[in-house]
Amino acid sequence: ETGVTQTPRHLVMGMTNKKSLKCEQHLGHNAMYWYKQSAKKPLELMFVYSLEERVENNSVPSRFSPECPNSSHLFLHLHTLQPEDSALYLCASSQDSLIKTLGGNNEQFFGPGTRLTVL
Amino acid sequence: RKEVEQDPGPFNVPEGATVAFNCTYSNSASQSFFWYRQDCRKEPKLLMSVYSSGNEDGRFTAQLNRASQYISLLIRDSKLSDSATYLCVVNPISGGYNKLIFGAGTRLAVHP
Repeated sequence: ETGVTQTPRHLVMGMTNKKSLKCEQHLGHNAMYWYKQSAKKPLELMFVYSLEERVENNSVPSRFSPECPNSSHLFLHLHTLQPEDSALYLCASSQDSLIKTLGGNNEQFFGPGTRLTVL
Repeated sequence: RKEVEQDPGPFNVPEGATVAFNCTYSNSASQSFFWYRQDCRKEPKLLMSVYSSGNEDGRFTAQLNRASQYISLLIRDSKLSDSATYLCVVNPISGGYNKLIFGAGTRLAVHP
């Protein structure tokens, strides 16, 4: 187990629904991330949080709204999504958000993901 | 040009074969490099970091060529359990945020 959990694992929603994805890390890490993985495309970084502060928003549409109430929890609030938003949404965590040293431990640990289908 | 490019495969090899994957990256300032493994419908997991001098972990050998901006992964004596998608991952900026850039992955299928 990676120590990063995500709920729900599967979600089907209509374009007018509002839902939230939840991520929790049990590793004592200070940084958390949201990624999107669409079919046959590379993982795309969406948001980076460091010590509950958003430090990067990778040009993500406002229909995706992240929230990080503490360093162990990360949410992704969804509203008025489009069918093309259907994808696997992965949460990850790492010890730190900054690369402190060359070759340092930058490993990110991923949760199992939420497979989202927008109808 | 994509930031990280990989041959999508699939590579279909018999058990015991040696297989090599290559990956190229566009940002010459990139400092950290990794190979992640992703099984079907599962999350990516770190396979190994890639160091400038090259490094080996059991049957897996990773190499980095900064001049040509490519990274390789060699798998010797392939096992059925090696079947997965291998993701080339680059951390583009030293001293910046721990921001991973993923390739689309190379699929490996090892058959009996």
